[in-house]
Amino acid sequence: EVQLVESGGGLIQPGGSLRLSCAASGFTFNSFDMNWVRQAPGQGLQWVAYISPGASTVYYADSVKGRFTISRDNAKSSLYLQMNSLTAEDTAVYYCASSSRRDFDFWGQGTLVTVSS
Amino acid sequence: EIVMTQSPATLSVSPGERATLSCRASQNVRYNLAWYQQKPGQAPRLLIYGASTRATGIPARFSGSGSGTEFTLTISSLQSEDFAVYHCQQYNNWPPEYTFGQGTKLEIK
Repeated sequence: EVQLVESGGGLIQPGGSLRLSCAASGFTFNSFDMNWVRQAPGQGLQWVAYISPGASTVYYADSVKGRFTISRDNAKSSLYLQMNSLTAEDTAVYYCASSSRRDFDFWGQGTLVTVSS
Repeated sequence: EIVMTQSPATLSVSPGERATLSCRASQNVRYNLAWYQQKPGQAPRLLIYGASTRATGIPARFSGSGSGTEFTLTISSLQSEDFAVYHCQQYNNWPPEYTFGQGTKLEIK
């Protein structure tokens, strides 16, 4: 069974940093594209970042470019999102999601990031 | 950026009836369109990809159609577990500029 489990969310002050993790199991992690997708309270979904299976290629949404860094450790079957210079607009549930095509096959349960003073 | 517009925002349908949800893209996305179901407090679940292909384990009452800029998700006979929010997503461009619609809430009439 595919499982994606996010962690690392919490309350952080504006301007602060946070690192999210996503632990994967039940599939060949190092063969899949991975993504972060977020959902602000009561809002729709927003794609945040992409990383290729070997981590050689990454892409970001314009809204996070230069502040967020996606990475992965295939030996640990884990995905990460380093978030810096956080603002209130980054408040959201953050999901990790796998891609065998370019849609999102499987999603974790999400971790809530709240940016507030 | 390709803007995805879903309609209606809320759809009220009785169990056993058919539901039709629409998604419009601001540019041609060919068949690069997916649908997701999201229940309160849960992660989205992939229903349809490639505009019309059901994901593994998705019941046959869910069907997708359309191409280009106009897409439809049809649920042929609503079950109680189908009342949820439905999101469409386009994935046409590379490098990725994936965008989602704002969602349609399907509620019990």
